[in-house]
Amino acid sequence: GAVVSQHPSRVICKSGTSVKIECRSLDFQATTMFWYRQFPKQSLMLMATSNEGSKATYEQGVEKDKFLINHASLTLSTLTVTSAHPEDSSFYICSARRGQGSEKLFFGSGTQLSVL
Amino acid sequence: DQQVKQNSPSLSVQEGRISILNCDYTNSMFDYFLWYKKYPAEGPTFLISISSIKDKNEDGRFTVFLNKSAKHLSLHIVPSQPGDSAVYFCAASAAGAQKLVFGQGTRLTINP
Repeated sequence: GAVVSQHPSRVICKSGTSVKIECRSLDFQATTMFWYRQFPKQSLMLMATSNEGSKATYEQGVEKDKFLINHASLTLSTLTVTSAHPEDSSFYICSARRGQGSEKLFFGSGTQLSVL
Repeated sequence: DQQVKQNSPSLSVQEGRISILNCDYTNSMFDYFLWYKKYPAEGPTFLISISSIKDKNEDGRFTVFLNKSAKHLSLHIVPSQPGDSAVYFCAASAAGAQKLVFGQGTRLTINP
């Protein structure tokens, strides 16, 4: 099956630093990738849709200047949490859709971000 | 506004019995529904899906039922196995929309 790799799996950082999370589709090209955030005992909340070669589309309430998304190639999207604060501590997870018209998403293993 | 709801945060079932996980939705534009399974420290993996033109889809031990009039779907696992212990998310999408909307998840525990 399709594989999506996400790195790092866990990050602990000081408040005010920036953290970059990478999401790679290993065996398929993904023109669209999605970034989700999950707080404990809550659902996966879509943050933004990352489109290769164009600007990301952010969901309402998500600060685009804080969560920078870059989708420079068909196999790589990155999410940078800029000037992270403790309230940004969460589980971040990316996903990619394999092919047009497929409703199935393939997910990365997620990144647990802890901001001290 | 929670468009997809899984009202049971947890469910405990004995091995060999049937597990039934429920999901409700409010958006009548949703026409495709999926169930994902998630183990700790891993991303969700696709389990089974159903289109709104159907009311049942079966894959091995897993069956998904859709009741459009009630805006309700359920996932049946029978017989339940210890390896089924995980968090299960239902998700929905509307025609032409790229994104999936997820429920809060239900933690299923299968007891030996």
